[in-house]
Amino acid sequence: EVQLVESGGGLIQPGGSLRLSCAASGFTVSSNYMSWVRQAPGKGLEWVSVIYSSGATYYADSVKGRFAISRDNSKNTLYLQMNSLRAEDTAVYYCARGRVGGTTHFDYWGQGTLVTVSS
Amino acid sequence: QSALTQPASVSGSPGQSITISCTGTSNDVGGYNYVSWYQQHPGNAPKLMIYDVSNRPSGISHRFSGAKSGNTASLTISGLQAEDEADYYCSSYTSGSSLVVFGGGTKLTVL
Repeated sequence: EVQLVESGGGLIQPGGSLRLSCAASGFTVSSNYMSWVRQAPGKGLEWVSVIYSSGATYYADSVKGRFAISRDNSKNTLYLQMNSLRAEDTAVYYCARGRVGGTTHFDYWGQGTLVTVSS
Repeated sequence: QSALTQPASVSGSPGQSITISCTGTSNDVGGYNYVSWYQQHPGNAPKLMIYDVSNRPSGISHRFSGAKSGNTASLTISGLQAEDEADYYCSSYTSGSSLVVFGGGTKLTVL
């Protein structure tokens, strides 16, 4: 059974850093495209970043230069390093499996982890 | 402001059919057959309902169908059931600098 479990969210001050984790089971992270998608409270979905099976990474303009996506193949885990956090980064962050480019869709999602950026 | 435009809300009675539209541009919806739809119940993660415009993942009811014409995609739910009440989001690949765009979401109310 495919399962994604996020962790690492919490309350952080503006300008701070946080690293989110997404532990996967039932499939191999390194063989798949993996994304982070966020949802601000009461708002819609926003794609954040993707890491291809090749290791290539891409980011939404809103986080480019501040966030970094990575994976640990030995732990079958996806990460999102978030630096220079802003109030507008406050959201539930979901990790999701799925292709981006060519067919683009996300077939499995985690339950999300809440990041609150506030002083 | 979301990149794709959806109606904020739609409603229908049990057994009826409803259609949710998703309008983009030639850089996303109109340029690629990579539109997907997600259902999200309150407090839950999104769930893939349709991919590549009109394909249903395994386990998704045939009551859900997708289509596209020009820059507008649509999701139709037939034989509405109470459990269909949720938020629905469309998404598309885009040739813009952010590779994926979502719609603002549509709240479906089953009367």
